[in-house]
Amino acid sequence: NAGVTQTPKFQVLKTGQSMTLQCAQDMNHEYMSWYRQDPGMGLRLIHYSVGAGITDQGEVPNGYNVSRSTTEDFPLRLLSAAPSQTSVYFCASSYSGTGVTLGGYTFGSGTRLTIV
Amino acid sequence: AQSVSQHNHHVILSEAASLELGCNYSYGGTVNLFWYVQYPGQHLQLLLKYFSGDPLVKGIKGFEAEFIKSKFSFNLRKPSVQWSDTAEYFCAGPISNTGKLIFGQGTTLQVKP
Repeated sequence: NAGVTQTPKFQVLKTGQSMTLQCAQDMNHEYMSWYRQDPGMGLRLIHYSVGAGITDQGEVPNGYNVSRSTTEDFPLRLLSAAPSQTSVYFCASSYSGTGVTLGGYTFGSGTRLTIV
Repeated sequence: AQSVSQHNHHVILSEAASLELGCNYSYGGTVNLFWYVQYPGQHLQLLLKYFSGDPLVKGIKGFEAEFIKSKFSFNLRKPSVQWSDTAEYFCAGPISNTGKLIFGQGTTLQVKP
């Protein structure tokens, strides 16, 4: 089924561990983004990409890295996990330019990450 | 700074009551706005969108929203809510030519049967 696929769905990490959240889309979307969702704070943009090889920081980039080597994949890396990174993470994608306006973003099902 | 804000953080209604959730934006240029819904344990789904033309936009499941440029608002409405509308609702707007979509803080709607 076409869409945005995130893995894993759930993960528990120890403080200081590293991990990569995977995101893949099969709709040939240029734009991809990572958000974190925390109670009372809505969705906050971590990093985003407007195409392969191009990434930029969002509102809350500290502690996270991204890369975009292909159009399809946009992994999010936690370099050294901290309890403050406990959250639900969503990946989203869209066509570029007018597509963002007309179609909005398509969201993945999310990754619930707990740092202990 | 460009922003989208929602003022109702938690709304509790009885079934059949009318709903209005507020959304305000503060950015210029071309304004396009979305409402997303997130049912418990699920991902965000597009409810409706405004990008031009008729300021009264109709979406799925009986929801509608009105874009009022003079008030910088895009409030979500539904004449009669159902228990199944219990969810979190997000207003969002894309920042032109950046690929960025910014969200309001979200409104949790609880509908009592």
